[in-house]
Amino acid sequence: GAGVSQSPRYKVAKRGQDVALRCDPISGHVSLFWYQQALGQGPEFLTYFQNEAQLDKSGLPSDRFFAERPEGSVSTLKIQRTQQEDSAVYLCASSFGTGSHYEQYFGPGTRLTVT
Amino acid sequence: AQSVSQHNHHVILSEAASLELGCNYSYGGTVNLFWYVQYPGQHLQLLLKYFSGDPLVKGIKGFEAEFIKSKFSFNLRKPSVQWSDTAEYFCAVNSPNSGYALNFGKGTSLLVTP
Repeated sequence: GAGVSQSPRYKVAKRGQDVALRCDPISGHVSLFWYQQALGQGPEFLTYFQNEAQLDKSGLPSDRFFAERPEGSVSTLKIQRTQQEDSAVYLCASSFGTGSHYEQYFGPGTRLTVT
Repeated sequence: AQSVSQHNHHVILSEAASLELGCNYSYGGTVNLFWYVQYPGQHLQLLLKYFSGDPLVKGIKGFEAEFIKSKFSFNLRKPSVQWSDTAEYFCAVNSPNSGYALNFGKGTSLLVTP
């Protein structure tokens, strides 16, 4: 079946622009995660949704970052007034259940470059 | 603070050599442990995971890992690597007591030469 999909795959933004990154999780997956991966680093947690509820947003680096999942399926990560330090790959992952041991399935990521 | 460390950032091996990638974590209490792999041009995918039971876990493509609680380690092993194992390998940890988010190490880049 289809995996996690993300769009766009690549995004170039000028400093100060707003961007919106989309994630389509695997159908029926309750949990959805966003991670940020800087060059040469492992992914770092941004936020977690259980259905439409955002249960953890402790990893969002500033109030310029906002995520939503209004109907419990597709999610959007929005970054306002982008800065150069926001350049990274943004990964979305989904899992079937709500326990911590469930496998997280990752999408291909969106590579954001802020110039 | 909770952390995950991978000892080797870059590893180069010849085909048929044995592989061991180190992973140590600093968490109190119960943990779930994962190894993810990212092949060139592909997305992260799960190699294996441990959350209870036999501490020796077998995963896909001949990989295995051993959870040693006393050493806070979860090293990844493969007896004989192939060129197709060239990839980036990430160790990740989470805990039932601290949410579902995965805490990743920085990754190890493995290059297998023919």
